[in-house]
Amino acid sequence: AQSVSQHNHHVILSEAASLELGCNYSYGGTVNLFWYVQYPGQHLQLLLKYFSGDPLVKGIKGFEAEFIKSKFSFNLRKPSVQWSDTAEYFCAVKRTGNQFYFGTGTSLTVIP
Amino acid sequence: EAGVAQSPRYKIIEKRQSVAFWCNPISGHATLYWYQQILGQGPKLLIQFQNNGVVDDSQLPKDRFSAERLKGVDSTLKIQPAKLEDSAVYLCASSSLRYSYEQYFGPGTRLTVT
Repeated sequence: AQSVSQHNHHVILSEAASLELGCNYSYGGTVNLFWYVQYPGQHLQLLLKYFSGDPLVKGIKGFEAEFIKSKFSFNLRKPSVQWSDTAEYFCAVKRTGNQFYFGTGTSLTVIP
Repeated sequence: EAGVAQSPRYKIIEKRQSVAFWCNPISGHATLYWYQQILGQGPKLLIQFQNNGVVDDSQLPKDRFSAERLKGVDSTLKIQPAKLEDSAVYLCASSSLRYSYEQYFGPGTRLTVT
């Protein structure tokens, strides 16, 4: 079945540790890729997006993601996490017709 | 800019009852989405409107769920009758035509069916 997979369900890191959250998708054809974040008590909000061009995209708050077409992956990274990065992170794929498909999410807890 | 508004924020009903959720998108946003987010899962698109027309409702359980956006602005999602498995957060999002990729989400309505 076509899907968006996030391999890590729960991640716990200490402040200043590096972060990488995996995302793989199984849709063929042209896709746009996104990472959304939901901080505790807040709405889902867009963290970064990839449409075309440079496969390494930078988002807000020091996050970046790399699109690897051959691996159908769009992993999220941050060199040094902060306590304020504690949140739920969702990978999403947009196909033609504006259909969005979300992964199951990764809960990140950063320990001060 | 005001965000996406949803009401109510919380709702508890018994199974077989009906319930309705309301969403008011960001002013000027032509596209409106309803998502269902079950605990531990990502949001699942139920229905997508562009103005007052349905773009995609392939994942909407049409035997019990219905949605409308009569004037192309606010929208209502209804469940009748509710089942236990409908317990979830119902999210509304909107986007402009020009920047259709950027969805703005509302706070959601948390539905508990007992």
